[in-house]
Amino acid sequence: DAGVIQSPRHEVTEMGQEVTLRCKPISGHDYLFWYRQTMMRGLELLIYFNNNVPIDDSGMPEDRFSAKMPNASFSTLKIQPSEPRDSAVYFCASSSHGGATDTQYFGPGTRLTVL
Amino acid sequence: DQQVKQNSPSLSVQEGRISILNCDYTNSMFDYFLWYKKYPAEGPTFLISISSIKDKNEDGRFTVFLNKSAKHLSLHIVPSQPGDSAVYFCAASVSGTASKLTFGTGTRLQVTL
Repeated sequence: DAGVIQSPRHEVTEMGQEVTLRCKPISGHDYLFWYRQTMMRGLELLIYFNNNVPIDDSGMPEDRFSAKMPNASFSTLKIQPSEPRDSAVYFCASSSHGGATDTQYFGPGTRLTVL
Repeated sequence: DQQVKQNSPSLSVQEGRISILNCDYTNSMFDYFLWYKKYPAEGPTFLISISSIKDKNEDGRFTVFLNKSAKHLSLHIVPSQPGDSAVYFCAASVSGTASKLTFGTGTRLQVTL
């Protein structure tokens, strides 16, 4: 069974450009999470969805960030315009039931570099 | 405001010895704690968890200890193996609520031969 799939694995872009990160959760999982990893702050939850509906986006840093989940098998995280401080590894994760004790399964991440 | 803190960014341990990774939290509402392990170029994977009704949970070579009064937990790996070299993240949540996990900044463990 395939795990969480993310694309691209690496993205290098210039400041001001739009960046779109993609995620396919594990089939049958109702919850999808977007995280950002930096050295200073570790893994931060940006937003999560339940049954394609955004539940909590309080971790989204600013209006330049947006996330969508048009169907159960696909989600995007968009940054427009991108800035150098957005450089980080972005992870997508999914879980089956979404309870606080439910295991989250992570994708391999997208390493974003904004020049 | 970092609610989950891992104050040691790195740790080096000799193969066969015990590795102890520490984690502190500030939010007294947290009652479920997890450790995730991350290898380079991979996503974190779940390792072990503990509920606040326990003070210890064991799974093979891995044991997590919870000290609620000190708001402190630790992960013990005995014996340490070279394959344990990875970044370990501590995470906390409030059970019975939505799925939010709050992670620490991670500790890089290097197990040397």
